[in-house]
Amino acid sequence: GAGVSQSPSNKVTEKGKDVELRCDPISGHTALYWYRQSLGQGLEFLIYFQGNSAPDKSGLPSDRFSAERTGGSVSTLTIQRTQQEDSAVYLCASSDRTSGINEQFFGPGTRLTVL
Amino acid sequence: RKEVEQDPGPFNVPEGATVAFNCTYSNSASQSFFWYRQDCRKEPKLLMSVYSSGNEDGRFTAQLNRASQYISLLIRDSKLSDSATYLCVVNRWGDYKLSFGAGTTVTVRA
Repeated sequence: GAGVSQSPSNKVTEKGKDVELRCDPISGHTALYWYRQSLGQGLEFLIYFQGNSAPDKSGLPSDRFSAERTGGSVSTLTIQRTQQEDSAVYLCASSDRTSGINEQFFGPGTRLTVL
Repeated sequence: RKEVEQDPGPFNVPEGATVAFNCTYSNSASQSFFWYRQDCRKEPKLLMSVYSSGNEDGRFTAQLNRASQYISLLIRDSKLSDSATYLCVVNRWGDYKLSFGAGTTVTVRA
């Protein structure tokens, strides 16, 4: 079946601009996660959505970052007034949490470069 | 102390060799364990879940030692295509956050 999809695959922007990154999870997966991976680094948790519950935003690095998930499916991560340190690969993952085992499946990521 | 620690490697092995590496975790409440592989400039992909009794999937064997809080991955008969970074991931039961290690790099040479 179709996996997690993300768009765009690459985004180059100028410092100070806003960007929107999109994630389309696996159909039927209620949980959706955003991570960030900087060059040579591990994955950094950003935000988590589960069904209609309030999201866990505890990983967002600043108030320039926000995310929403419409209709329990597609999610958009928005970064306002981008800074060079925002350059990273932004990964989205989804999981079916009904089994209790949190196997997460990742999309191909969006590589963001802030000039 | 990081919640999940891995030897970054790299482990450079010839084709056909066996390579094994460990990961340690600090939270004794951790209940679910996974190995993901990540190829260069690609997303992490689930390699296998790790079960209490240990489990095998083809050439890959994962072991869990709860007493010592470590997980191991063994790759037999290494292939060139096994070259990747292997991420150790732990999760507390019912918790949605996964904790990722920084990865162990394996390079298989011809």
